[in-house]
Amino acid sequence: ETGVTQTPRHLVMGMTNKKSLKCEQHLGHNAMYWYKQSAKKPLELMFVYNFKEQTENNSVPSRFSPECPNSSHLFLHLHTLQPEDSALYLCASSVPLDGSNYGYTFGSGTRLTVV
Amino acid sequence: AQTVTQSQPEMSVQEAETVTLSCTYDTSESDYYLFWYKQPPSRQMILVIRQEAYKQQNATENRFSVNFQKAAKSFSLKISDSQLGDAAMYFCALRDGATNKLIFGTGTLLAVQP
Repeated sequence: ETGVTQTPRHLVMGMTNKKSLKCEQHLGHNAMYWYKQSAKKPLELMFVYNFKEQTENNSVPSRFSPECPNSSHLFLHLHTLQPEDSALYLCASSVPLDGSNYGYTFGSGTRLTVV
Repeated sequence: AQTVTQSQPEMSVQEAETVTLSCTYDTSESDYYLFWYKQPPSRQMILVIRQEAYKQQNATENRFSVNFQKAAKSFSLKISDSQLGDAAMYFCALRDGATNKLIFGTGTLLAVQP
């Protein structure tokens, strides 16, 4: 365990369903991230939160809706997804913008399948 | 735009041998950091080694070392005395010191043959 916990580990959902992915960290980090990992493609940064404020949205479709109620928790709400949204969704956290040479700490991801 | 390129989709090495994974990057920033991450089948992205761009000395962590060539924008990973547990996907990543964003390459799948 790295200190970043993601649930559920696996999720299968229909295109009309609404579900949420959860990410939790108690490392004292104040920056949290959502990445999408698809086969044969680089990890795609989706959203960035610094001190609970969204600071980056990389042109992600509105069917993905992030929520960061506090510095320890990050959610990704999903609705009316498409089959091409099937992927591994990774959450990460870090100390933000302090010039630290530390990378991000990642969770184990949620394997999402849209049917 | 910042980019990270890993030109080797797959590599294979014999147990106890040495293997080098390639990575090149592009950035206009002077303040940045480079990382190698390992992702085994468990999916956990594990930090292997890090390098500050302002340091000329190559980073080492036990059997893992890097060859950082700043002028060439090259950051290769050398794994010595390869072990079966080293089999995984390896990602090279660049962190922009100004924005804190971590940009990844496409990864290299390393197989270790017994």
